[in-house]
Amino acid sequence: AQSVTQLDSQVPVFEEAPVELRCNYSSSVSVYLFWYVQYPNQGLQLLLKYLSGSTLVKGINGFEAEFNKSQTSFHLRKPSVHISDTAEYFCAVSAYNTDKLIFGTGTRLQVFP
Amino acid sequence: GAVVSQHPSRVICKSGTSVKIECRSLDFQATTMFWYRQFPKQSLMLMATSNEGSKATYEQGVEKDKFLINHASLTLSTLTVTSAHPEDSSFYICSAPTIGIAGTQLEIDTQYFGPGTRLTVL
Repeated sequence: AQSVTQLDSQVPVFEEAPVELRCNYSSSVSVYLFWYVQYPNQGLQLLLKYLSGSTLVKGINGFEAEFNKSQTSFHLRKPSVHISDTAEYFCAVSAYNTDKLIFGTGTRLQVFP
Repeated sequence: GAVVSQHPSRVICKSGTSVKIECRSLDFQATTMFWYRQFPKQSLMLMATSNEGSKATYEQGVEKDKFLINHASLTLSTLTVTSAHPEDSSFYICSAPTIGIAGTQLEIDTQYFGPGTRLTVL
């Protein structure tokens, strides 16, 4: 079975500052890793994913994440945030070659002017 | 544009009634769809896996007789909340995985989520 831990429930940050949202996972098998963003009263939108290959993954809206197998982490980063990045961010994992996603509890990113 | 749609987006019903939520994949076929439930300010909890042409697979703790799932075609799955009660009020989200289709925006090995249905039971 897989599990996902998002260590921070809320992350406040000022506009144009860098941000890192943390995600750790647990699994006895190889996994795929995902970050999704959810804006208020909307469904989830894929930010980026790691399936294989390069451990540094670049996604939409200037976000990137790095897969670290030894630390079982997949932290999300952005060098300079905008007000429009205010949203809920979910890290998710699926076992290799399956479609079932297990989500973390989410991190609320609040960007202040 | 959206690749997975849900209908309705919002529904308010009286306690004891049944509510049907539709999830459609647009422009691609989905033999599998997933149904999630999200409580306010919480994560998505997988409820069940909807399989076209066979019975749904429910996660532990989810009542299959209360949450009826029908995967009628390769583009449509429905979730019916039977005899709804106020504690069933929640945000219900479906998703469908795609293997990717050349020449489209659909990515390989990616799940696309519907916009969600907010159910309020009075």
